[in-house]
Amino acid sequence: DVKVTQSSRYLVKRTGEKVFLECVQDMDHENMFWYRQDPGLGLRLIYFSYDVKMKEKGDIPEGYSVSREKKERFSLILESASTNQTSMYLCASTPGGPYEQYFGPGTRLTVT
Amino acid sequence: DQQVKQNSPSLSVQEGRISILNCDYTNSMFDYFLWYKKYPAEGPTFLISISSIKDKNEDGRFTVFLNKSAKHLSLHIVPSQPGDSAVYFCAASALYLGTYKYIFGTGTRLKVLA
Repeated sequence: DVKVTQSSRYLVKRTGEKVFLECVQDMDHENMFWYRQDPGLGLRLIYFSYDVKMKEKGDIPEGYSVSREKKERFSLILESASTNQTSMYLCASTPGGPYEQYFGPGTRLTVT
Repeated sequence: DQQVKQNSPSLSVQEGRISILNCDYTNSMFDYFLWYKKYPAEGPTFLISISSIKDKNEDGRFTVFLNKSAKHLSLHIVPSQPGDSAVYFCAASALYLGTYKYIFGTGTRLKVLA
């Protein structure tokens, strides 16, 4: 059974802290994605990766960076957390092609 | 600029009746469309998809219709059940830098009343 896991379901951090969100998939998928979901705004793409060590900016990359050192793991980094980064963060993966994405359960991040 | 739009933030339907969720898009380069369902505190789960070369795809109670000339797609759920109550996102994919990128709508919250 396909599985995407995220390191934390809930996280509370202080403004200015460096935050790491980790995502692991066990399906040998090429492509991995980070989104944030906010009320009324849907899912917005932060970064995606189509291969190990390859990354591309999505629609809202400001304030974020990513790392993909291994095929199965894609990390989202908030260099200096701010309150406007309080959100639900969702990781997804696909094998390639335009087909369905498999999502993790999400991390609800609160920055105070 | 919102390339994928879901203009109805919410919809209420009686159990057993049809639910119709709508989605509009602006980019004619999209070649695949998908619907996802999301419960609170969970990640979205894939529901049904349609290629841009088709106009209808059916899977059990779920049917997706695509009208390319109008740049419009819709999801029909018949009959609607209380367990269908969730937020539904439409998404569109297009080739970008040799891989596929997905654009999501803002979601429609469906409530099926028993």
